[in-house]
Amino acid sequence: EPEVTQTPSHQVTQMGQEVILRCVPISNHLYFYWYRQILGQKVEFLVSFYNNEISEKSEIFDDQFSVERPDGSNFTLKIRSTKLEDSAMYFCASRTGVHSGANVLTFGAGSRLTVL
Amino acid sequence: DAKTTQPPSMDCAEGRAANLPCNHSTISGNEYVYWYRQIHSQGPQYIIHGLKNNETNEMASLIITEDRKSSTLILPHATLRDTAVYYCIVIETSGSRLTFGEGTQLTVNP
Repeated sequence: EPEVTQTPSHQVTQMGQEVILRCVPISNHLYFYWYRQILGQKVEFLVSFYNNEISEKSEIFDDQFSVERPDGSNFTLKIRSTKLEDSAMYFCASRTGVHSGANVLTFGAGSRLTVL
Repeated sequence: DAKTTQPPSMDCAEGRAANLPCNHSTISGNEYVYWYRQIHSQGPQYIIHGLKNNETNEMASLIITEDRKSSTLILPHATLRDTAVYYCIVIETSGSRLTFGEGTQLTVNP
């Protein structure tokens, strides 16, 4: 079964450092997402991406965050200057462009970010 | 999107049916009911969705009441691997953000 692949599985970084989390969505999917989950809390939407631009973003997704699809396969989330509160599990997700599957997302296994 | 209410936790014996309820009394006519689950520390997993008719797939069945104000997710023969947090989400099929609530922690016991 097709999978969404995320790397790294775990990254430890110092506060103020830049971090890039990588995702390979399912190949025929057209919509891409990042969600995060702080330990013990709800899964929160960060951003959605379609046709090479952001289609929606949450209030969490401030100027410290950016997303990019640098080539035909990767989808990245960059955090420019990490803060302690950025420590969380980050999930990438993707879906087809088919209307009937508009909310059927396939999630990756996640990248755990620890900011010290 | 309509608000949903789910019990915080439920237990089920292995091999028995797990019936997970969800109330969505303010659902509007163009909103679907989606179910996802999250096994500990893993990414959420899509299970099933429906508008007004009952739905069944290889994972589960979804029963939606005639007035659409509540629904039940049924895992017909629960296994230990079904232990997870189950999320009921009501959303238009426009593809906007999924909003995850607290969900129901289902524990399947041997």
